[in-house]
Amino acid sequence: DAGITQSPRHKVTETGTPVTLRCHQTENHRYMYWYRQDPGHGLRLIHYSYGVKDTDKGEVSDGYSVSRSKTEDFLLTLESATSSQTSVYFCAISLRQSYNEQFFGPGTRLTVL
Amino acid sequence: GQQLNQSPQSMFIQEGEDVSMNCTSSSIFNTWLWYKQEPGEGPVLLIALYKAGELTSNGRLTAQFGITRKDSFLNISASIPSDVGIYFCAGGGSNYKLTFGKGTLLTVNP
Repeated sequence: DAGITQSPRHKVTETGTPVTLRCHQTENHRYMYWYRQDPGHGLRLIHYSYGVKDTDKGEVSDGYSVSRSKTEDFLLTLESATSSQTSVYFCAISLRQSYNEQFFGPGTRLTVL
Repeated sequence: GQQLNQSPQSMFIQEGEDVSMNCTSSSIFNTWLWYKQEPGEGPVLLIALYKAGELTSNGRLTAQFGITRKDSFLNISASIPSDVGIYFCAGGGSNYKLTFGKGTLLTVNP
């Protein structure tokens, strides 16, 4: 158990509203990641963080922003949600000693109507 | 960007049968990983491979890191109903990011 929680676990919102998803870890890991998972596309990286206030874009970053003001929290924000952002969002962390081994949270199912 | 081709997309087998799935890439990876995902949950890491040619087992699961560093396979022996799920391969480089295959959906008929 990598001590990762995600909140909320489920959310339904309307097009055009802002949405923030939270990933929280309890073990002081440096690297954190946000993915989205869609049928036929597998897991795609949205943004990642390599430290407090240090973030970078992944392959599907358009329409998303992130913030990391504390080691334990990595926030994903949809400034103005669209129906194409309906998806399951996963947060992951990697361990310092084996940085390519990523461990995933339970996911957030987001529906944008 | 990098892409992984994972096959087969789905498998329907009888309990007790062996299963084999693989991933190929046009790019070289330093690490190959295999994950399993069950409905409503996040992917769980099964096996991580760090050296070309490496063969690693985890119970009934065996995975290999291809010699060319562009492929990997996962075998499951004597399948049981709880093996049902989606299996993902992932390749990692030196940039702390992973590239994932699209998954193999495994169904086991008791």
